Amino acid sequence: DGGITQSPKYLFRKEGQNVTLSCEQNLNHDAMYWYRQDPGQGLRLIYYSQIVNDFQKGDIAEGYSVSREKKESFPLTVTSAQKNPTAFYLCASSTPFGGGVNTGELFFGEGSRLTVL
Amino acid sequence: AQSVTQLDSQVPVFEEAPVELRCNYSSSVSVYLFWYVQYPNQGLQLLLKYLSGSTLVKGINGFEAEFNKSQTSFHLRKPSVHISDTAEYFCAVSGFNAGGTSYGKLTFGQGTILTVHP
Repeated sequence: DGGITQSPKYLFRKEGQNVTLSCEQNLNHDAMYWYRQDPGQGLRLIYYSQIVNDFQKGDIAEGYSVSREKKESFPLTVTSAQKNPTAFYLCASSTPFGGGVNTGELFFGEGSRLTVL
Repeated sequence: AQSVTQLDSQVPVFEEAPVELRCNYSSSVSVYLFWYVQYPNQGLQLLLKYLSGSTLVKGINGFEAEFNKSQTSFHLRKPSVHISDTAEYFCAVSGFNAGGTSYGKLTFGQGTILTVHP
């Protein structure tokens, strides 16, 4: 089945360690996104990529990094510079940017919960 | 730029009662509108969307929403809720250009937690 796979589902790390969250999609979508979710704050955009080898900062990019070497993959690294990394992280993708009408509709993965001890 | 306001952070209701989750938006351009549902520790799932045409949109699980352009609202309704509807609901908007293509980023509301009691 087509979809978005995030791994790991749960992750525990010590303060000061970098962690990388995986996001893979087989929907043939051009655009991919990373969101952070905290209770009562909705979804906040970290980074997004509309095409391979290109990405842009979202609203809360500080302390995070991404890469987009393949269309299917958009990993997120939470660095030690992120002051409060404990959160639920969601990866999403959207319909092909260059063809047809892109409505902005997002398709989400199941999320990764990061807890920093 | 767009913004979305979900007017209630929490909505408790009894099973089989009707429910309305309110969403207002502001935008300097025309928008597409979405409602998503999120069950605990899961991703978001699309409930319904308004792109064009009839302002009353029907979605999955018996939910519907009505687009009101003059009031810039997109309230979500269900005539009779079930325990299984307990979840968090997000309203989102996407601005689009004259050709109908989205500018690419959804703007989400803060979410409304719906709790259905037996």
